[in-house]
Amino acid sequence: DAKTTQPTSMDCAEGRAANLPCNHSTISGNEYVYWYRQIHSQGPQYIIHGLKNNETNEMASLIITEDRKSSTLILPHATLRDTAVYYCIVRVSIKTSYDKVIFGPGTSLSVIP
Amino acid sequence: GAVVSQHPSRVICKSGTSVKIECRSLDFQATTMFWYRQFPKQSLMLMATSNEGSKATYEQGVEKDKFLINHASLTLSTLTVTSAHPEDSSFYICSARDVIGHEKLFFGSGTQLSVL
Repeated sequence: DAKTTQPTSMDCAEGRAANLPCNHSTISGNEYVYWYRQIHSQGPQYIIHGLKNNETNEMASLIITEDRKSSTLILPHATLRDTAVYYCIVRVSIKTSYDKVIFGPGTSLSVIP
Repeated sequence: GAVVSQHPSRVICKSGTSVKIECRSLDFQATTMFWYRQFPKQSLMLMATSNEGSKATYEQGVEKDKFLINHASLTLSTLTVTSAHPEDSSFYICSARDVIGHEKLFFGSGTQLSVL
C-alpha cells in the first residue's frame, strides 16, 4: 500500500471547518483513499473513502486532487466531539484475503471552544 | 452501519495467566479479521490477519505462540494472550472486513489489557 504523510497535529475553532490534508504521492491507480478517526480509548471509526471523485457524506467531505497525489478531509462545522486522531490510509480495494490495513501516525485534531 | 463487538472492554490479570479476547461481526460475515495493538500515544500496530478456517498470518516480530488467534466461524475471531506479562499490557483492537461493497473496515471498541 502507498505511504501517506499527514501533519502531526492541528487545532480548529469550534464551529469552523476543519481541513485535514494528506499526501499520498505514490498512490497507484487502483488504490482508494480512506479516512478513519479514533477518539481516545475507542476503536477507529470509518469516515469516508474515495477513488478519484470528490465524496461527501453525513460526516465529512473528501477532496482528492486531480493527480490523486493528495487529498483533504473536510469537517464542515467542527464540534468538540470531533477531537480525535484522524488517519488517512491508501489501499487497494479488491477482494483478496491479505489486503491488510496499515495505520500511520495520523493527525491529532483538537477542536477548541 | 456494520457492527463489530469486542469483549471484554477491559481486563486486569495476573502475570502468567492467559486472557481471551473475542471479536464478533454482528450483522455481516467476515472472512477476514485483523488484530491490532496500540500503546499510549501511538498508532495502531497490526499484529495479525485472521482468515476463517485457516491459520492466521502474523506480522514480523509478533510471536504466534504467545498471541493465539482462532477464526473458527464467519462471525467470530478470538485472540488469546498466553502467559501474559506486564509488557503485554496494551489496548487491543480487532477489525472485520465487510466484503460487500467497497470493503470498509469496521472496528471493535477495543480491549484494555492490564497485566499486574
